[in-house]
Parts: sequence; C-alpha cells; structure tokens
Amino acid sequence: EVQLVESGGGLVQPGESLRLSCAASGFTFSSNWMTWVRQAPGKGLEWVANIKEDGSEEYYVDSVKGRFTISRDNAKNSVNLQMNSLRAEDTAVYYCARTRPGYFDFWGQGTLVTVSS
Amino acid sequence: QSALTQPASVSGSPGQSIAISCTGTSSDVGGYNHVSWYQHHPGKAPKLMIYGVSNRPSGVSNRFSGSKSANTASLTISGLQAEDEADYYCSSYTSSNTYVFGTGTKVTVL
Repeated sequence: EVQLVESGGGLVQPGESLRLSCAASGFTFSSNWMTWVRQAPGKGLEWVANIKEDGSEEYYVDSVKGRFTISRDNAKNSVNLQMNSLRAEDTAVYYCARTRPGYFDFWGQGTLVTVSS
Repeated sequence: QSALTQPASVSGSPGQSIAISCTGTSSDVGGYNHVSWYQHHPGKAPKLMIYGVSNRPSGVSNRFSGSKSANTASLTISGLQAEDEADYYCSSYTSSNTYVFGTGTKVTVL
C-alpha cells in the first residue's frame, strides 16, 4: 500500500525557516518524481515544486523560487521542502504527492504551516 | 503560471449529470494531454479521479469521465450521488516543465 506521511509543519514568524519532510513507503521511491502541493486557507490547490527521480532536476512555482528548495533522499525514501524567508502568504497545508507523467496519483494527508507574528 | 479557470460552483440533483469545465491556454491544457482531475474533501488528501484527459484510475467509478477540446477540458459526473459532493480541481502540465491547478469547483448535490 502506498503511503505518504508529511511532517515538520508548525507556527513560525515571518522571515523564519522551516523544513518539511515526506516519508514514502509501499512503492519504489527512487523510480518516481515527487511533488509538493499546498492549499492556503480558503483557497485552491497550488503546485509548489517537484523533483526528478534521481534529484537531478527541480522545478518551482515562481512565488517560491529562491526561497524554497526541494530535495530527496532515495536511501531514506523521503522528499523534503526547505522553506526560507517565509511569508504570511506561505501559510497553507502542504501535501506531498507521488508523481506520474502528467498527474499525481497518491497524496499524503498534509502538514499545516502557519506563518504569523 | 496563472491558475486554470473553473466555475466556482456546480450543483445538481441526485441522478443527474453535471459537467465542470477547466480552461487554460495552448501552453498548458491545449498543448498537452496531461490534464488530470482531483476530488478533495476538506481535511482529507486529494484523490485522483481522471488522468491523461480521459483515463480513470482503478477503483474510480465509471460515472466519472473526462474530455478535452482545444484549451478547455471537462469533467462529467453522471448519476450524481451524495458522496460526490466535494471540491474538484483540474491540473495540467505546462510548457515550463511545471504544473498548474484550476481554481477549483465546489460540487453540491441538491
């Protein structure tokens, strides 16, 4: 059974950093792209970033470029999202998702990030 | 990276059919057959309903179907049931090697 479990969310002040992790199991992690998607309170889903199977390619939504970094550890079956210089508008539930060509077939339950002073 | 355009809400009575549109550009929806649809109940993980424009994953009811014409994709739910009440999002791969989601549609079963 495919399982994705996010962790690392919490309350931080503007300008601070946070690192999210997603632990994967039930599939060959190193054979799949992985993606982070977020949903701000009362808003829709927003694609944030993804990373290739071997970590050699990464892509980001414009609003987080230069502030967020996606990475993966295939030995530990985990994908991470390092979030720096956090802003109030980064407040959201962050989901990790297994990525197939063109779609996201399994999602975690999400972890809440709140950026507030 | 502008969000794809979906109607904010669609409603229907049990047993009826409804359609949700998803409009993008030639750089996303119109340029690739990588359109997917997700059902999202608040507080839960989104669920893949359609991928590759019109393909249903194993376990998804055949009441759900997808199509695309030019820059607009559509999700049709036939035989509407109470359990279909949720938020629905389309998504597309883009020419920038990124993805974009739709604005989301709240489906209400009357």
